[in-house]
Amino acid sequence: DTGVSQNPRHKITKRGQNVTFRCDPISEHNRLYWYRQTLGQGPEFLTYFQNEAQLEKSRLLSDRFSAERPKGSFSTLEIQRTEQGDSAMYLCASSTPLMAQHFGDGTRLSIL
Amino acid sequence: QQQVKQSPQSLIVQKGGISIINCAYENTAFDYFPWYQQFPGKGPALLIAIRPDVSEKKEGRFTISFNKSAKQFSLHIMDSQPGDSATYFCAASKVLVGNEKLTFGTGTRLTIIP
Repeated sequence: DTGVSQNPRHKITKRGQNVTFRCDPISEHNRLYWYRQTLGQGPEFLTYFQNEAQLEKSRLLSDRFSAERPKGSFSTLEIQRTEQGDSAMYLCASSTPLMAQHFGDGTRLSIL
Repeated sequence: QQQVKQSPQSLIVQKGGISIINCAYENTAFDYFPWYQQFPGKGPALLIAIRPDVSEKKEGRFTISFNKSAKQFSLHIMDSQPGDSATYFCAASKVLVGNEKLTFGTGTRLTIIP
């Protein structure tokens, strides 16, 4: 069990730039989730995939955010035209149906 | 809209004591209630979880107590140790209807002092 892997661990960028994060789930897990966590708060759901299908998106996910999971394996989360309010920890989790979600250690995004 | 309310925000317990963290939920459709532990710079790690058909679940020093009628559940950490110092999150989801996204509480920062 290699766990959920997220890259990069930390991303610093200027406001207005585009950023992309990658998540590699546990290999046998067909469900993949993205959450966002700001300082002092619990994670908030953004979106989730079952295999390659994106089944739900939160209202938190503005048009500047897009997520993909080609071939049902790894997933990417892209933020276009970043804003100060996008600064947060972006967490990925994976699971099989009816089983617990396992989280990666996140990508911390800092907007200058 | 905060669907899962967690208290206290922070908690200091002496080594060997019992740490108790409480959560309350609003949505009666929730049917799965996990607790996660998070250390600085790390992602949340599952500690223990319960479904509403049981009132208590124990794993080692960790116990969840669940009160369906009051829509409340709590985490008890027995014989608390300095290594338990972390932030704890309760969460809830609707597993049986296939909506497994987690709704988290706001977290409790637990500090165990010698």
